[in-house]
Amino acid sequence: DTGVSQNPRHKITKRGQNVTFRCDPISEHNRLYWYRQTLGQGPEFLTYFQNEAQLEKSRLLSDRFSAERPKGSFSTLEIQRTEQGDSAMYLCASSTTTGSSYNSPLHFGNGTRLTVT
Amino acid sequence: SQQGEEDPQALSIQEGENATMNCSYKTSINNLQWYRQNSGRGLVHLILIRSNEREKHSGRLRVTLDTSKKSSSLLITASRAADTASYFCATTLINTGTASKLTFGTGTRLQVTL
Repeated sequence: DTGVSQNPRHKITKRGQNVTFRCDPISEHNRLYWYRQTLGQGPEFLTYFQNEAQLEKSRLLSDRFSAERPKGSFSTLEIQRTEQGDSAMYLCASSTTTGSSYNSPLHFGNGTRLTVT
Repeated sequence: SQQGEEDPQALSIQEGENATMNCSYKTSINNLQWYRQNSGRGLVHLILIRSNEREKHSGRLRVTLDTSKKSSSLLITASRAADTASYFCATTLINTGTASKLTFGTGTRLQVTL
């Protein structure tokens, strides 16, 4: 299967600890997105990359959050000094910019569910 | 912040019936997309409708778009138990400088019973 892969699927951590999530996009996709989703809500945009360049960050992404995509392939999302409010599903998606970039559907991974105790 | 609002928030129907979900949005868009999410999984793209289109079909799905009312509807005909999921509309905004950033609505939870 060549879909978007996210690891780990679940992460339980204690408040104050750092966590890192990984996303492997579909190989030919040059855009990669991170979203956060809390229970009963739609996904909220966090940040996105085109190749290795981080082109936009949401105001939701505090200084404790950092994302990288060093070689334009996989990406990592790190949360430092986790808080209980960080508990959520973190979703990664990828897309391609062939054709009009306005009309590219996103391909999502199954997410990493973070629980901060 | 959420750009779209789906209505209803929850919908329960019997297998074989049609399901209609509505989405309203606030600002001008390039296109509108519908996604499905099964519990605990990622989202799956269903259909995309461009701002200059009014209706689109894909299998048992029919999507309409009314840009004057800033609204869209998703119709699932002859529903099946496997259609049970949450459905989200998502929009790509005009003139944001980030052409393909999708902004999602709050979702409609559809339950199809046998």
